[in-house]
Amino acid sequence: DGGITQSPKYLFRKEGQNVTLSCEQNLNHDAMYWYRQDPGQGLRLIYYSQIVNDFQKGDIAEGYSVSREKKESFPLTVTSAQKNPTAFYLCASSPIRELSNQPQHFGDGTRLSIL
Amino acid sequence: DQQVKQNSPSLSVQEGRISILNCDYTNSMFDYFLWYKKYPAEGPTFLISISSIKDKNEDGRFTVFLNKSAKHLSLHIVPSQPGDSAVYFCAARFKGAQKLVFGQGTRLTINP
Repeated sequence: DGGITQSPKYLFRKEGQNVTLSCEQNLNHDAMYWYRQDPGQGLRLIYYSQIVNDFQKGDIAEGYSVSREKKESFPLTVTSAQKNPTAFYLCASSPIRELSNQPQHFGDGTRLSIL
Repeated sequence: DQQVKQNSPSLSVQEGRISILNCDYTNSMFDYFLWYKKYPAEGPTFLISISSIKDKNEDGRFTVFLNKSAKHLSLHIVPSQPGDSAVYFCAARFKGAQKLVFGQGTRLTINP
């Protein structure tokens, strides 16, 4: 089955520690995205990538870093500079086609908590 | 500045009746609008979308209406079923861009 796999489902971080969230897709989508969801809020864009080896900051990129070395993979690192990392993190992907509208497809998320 | 707003945090509807979820936006450069449904501890799933050149799109029990002059869209679910209980997000995309801007979500509860 084609889809987006996020791992782990739950992750705990100690103070001052960097952690990396995995996102893999086998949908052959060009674009990938990372969002953060906090209680009572919508999804806020952290980073996105439209092509391998290229990515752009979203609305709340501070304290996060990403890489896009392969089309299928878009890992997110939550650094110690992110002072409030407790949240539900969602990865998404979509094709890029000029002449049609294509929705983003989401993984099942990773819940990150501070120890 | 919240460019996409869902002003109702929650909505409760009786099974079999119509559910109407509302969404307002401020930027006239949005050209594509989507609704997603989300269950707890899962990722959002795409429900239905509408291009800014249309004012209505229907898919089974789900219909989305777009009023560009009012910068307002709504999702109608009829008849509502217990499995429709979830959080619903509206999202908008800027013309020529790929990223989406999401509203805060509305929690829909369908009562038997």
